[in-house]
Amino acid sequence: GQNIDQPTEMTATEGAIVQINCTYQTSGFNGLFWYQQHAGEAPTFLSYNVLDGLEEKGRFSSFLSRSKGYSYLLLKELQMKDSASYLCAGERSNDYKLSFGAGTTVTVRA
Amino acid sequence: NAGVTQTPKFRILKIGQSMTLQCTQDMNHNYMYWYRQDPGMGLKLIYYSVGAGITDKGEVPNGYNVSRSTTEDFPLRLELAAPSQTSVYFCASSHRDRSYNEQFFGPGTRLTVL
Repeated sequence: GQNIDQPTEMTATEGAIVQINCTYQTSGFNGLFWYQQHAGEAPTFLSYNVLDGLEEKGRFSSFLSRSKGYSYLLLKELQMKDSASYLCAGERSNDYKLSFGAGTTVTVRA
Repeated sequence: NAGVTQTPKFRILKIGQSMTLQCTQDMNHNYMYWYRQDPGMGLKLIYYSVGAGITDKGEVPNGYNVSRSTTEDFPLRLELAAPSQTSVYFCASSHRDRSYNEQFFGPGTRLTVL
């Protein structure tokens, strides 16, 4: 696997910004996915990074540094509906299978 | 399109029973996957398939079997259920020919083995 590591929990206030970090093993790495998973539901795709740099999609942005084995997901203007688990997943270069981290549970408070 | 559908949504099994978790996708995806998700853990790959008639083991295949007779269907079979198989099972599919391998997930099957 890719040895994906991400924090277990984060809490932030509505309207604030939260950054979720993810580190991974660079050997055999192809790209990095972020998924959102609300409690009791299926994961849904948020972003994919294969090149270094920042990809912005509305309130969500994702960053990748291939040389450092590091990514982050940035959530801006937090809303209550953003309370969910955020899964970091590394894509392997030889077979394109995904290795998932345990997920970061983000709680947004009023 | 319905996307990825799974049945049943919930199931309780007794130790030693068998069952099949159904998964169907209508997006003409060539790749399909079965994952299990335990509390506080990441998704673990059980089996995957790169096309009809082709299946391969993932990280945690023991106690499970799969088949892929059509592009649409990828059932997961549990033989001799054990309490360690209590989990949430997700089926996913993707189209590897696209620029990236985004996986689309079904709603999940919550299985309890008592």
